[in-house]
Amino acid sequence: NAGVTQTPKFRILKIGQSMTLQCAQDMNHNYMYWYRQDPGMGLKLIYYSVGAGITDKGEVPNGYNVSRSTTEDFPLRLELAAPSQTSVYFCASSPRTGLAVSNEQFFGPGTRLTVL
Amino acid sequence: GNSVTQMEGPVTLSEEAFLTINCTYTATGYPSLFWYVQYPGEGLQLLLKATKADDKGSNKGFEATYRKETTSFHLEKGSVQVSDSAVYFCALSDHGSGTYKYIFGTGTRLKVLA
Repeated sequence: NAGVTQTPKFRILKIGQSMTLQCAQDMNHNYMYWYRQDPGMGLKLIYYSVGAGITDKGEVPNGYNVSRSTTEDFPLRLELAAPSQTSVYFCASSPRTGLAVSNEQFFGPGTRLTVL
Repeated sequence: GNSVTQMEGPVTLSEEAFLTINCTYTATGYPSLFWYVQYPGEGLQLLLKATKADDKGSNKGFEATYRKETTSFHLEKGSVQVSDSAVYFCALSDHGSGTYKYIFGTGTRLKVLA
């Protein structure tokens, strides 16, 4: 299993450009999440999904969009990039079982995004 | 709402020293608690977890006990190594309304000197 994969690893955008951060998992997990991590800070939840076709906003959704057309993929779209979106973005997934609340999250390696 | 508070870092220790990183939480209901570790340039990895009061999670010499009476989940290790240098995150699972969200602390950076 590759686990959770993210592409690209690094990207520099100009203000106003758009891009899609890709995330895929091969563990057949129902739940998927997007976080951003600013320097010296913890993780902030952007969007999450409890299954294909279902997405919901987290703490900081403004300026982002997501879709979940398959169980495996959960891309994050940035429209009109702004310097405030400079951050490291992590995708994560977790399985659904009878004790879902005890399940760990599996994280991808992250995408480092700079908006200039 | 639910929250996690971790001690501020960075924490600098000599090799073989004893480590404690404090974590307290606020939650309704009965959350599960986690410690994650992030090595430089990598994503987070689960270090240990506990799912109910008085449970002790352990892994790689690290331990943490779920204390409901003090709402704490402090991370400890008896003898740290240089390879333990990383950022440590305390987290809880927030399953209110069935959303299965996770709440993370701000992270504590540990540096171990040889």
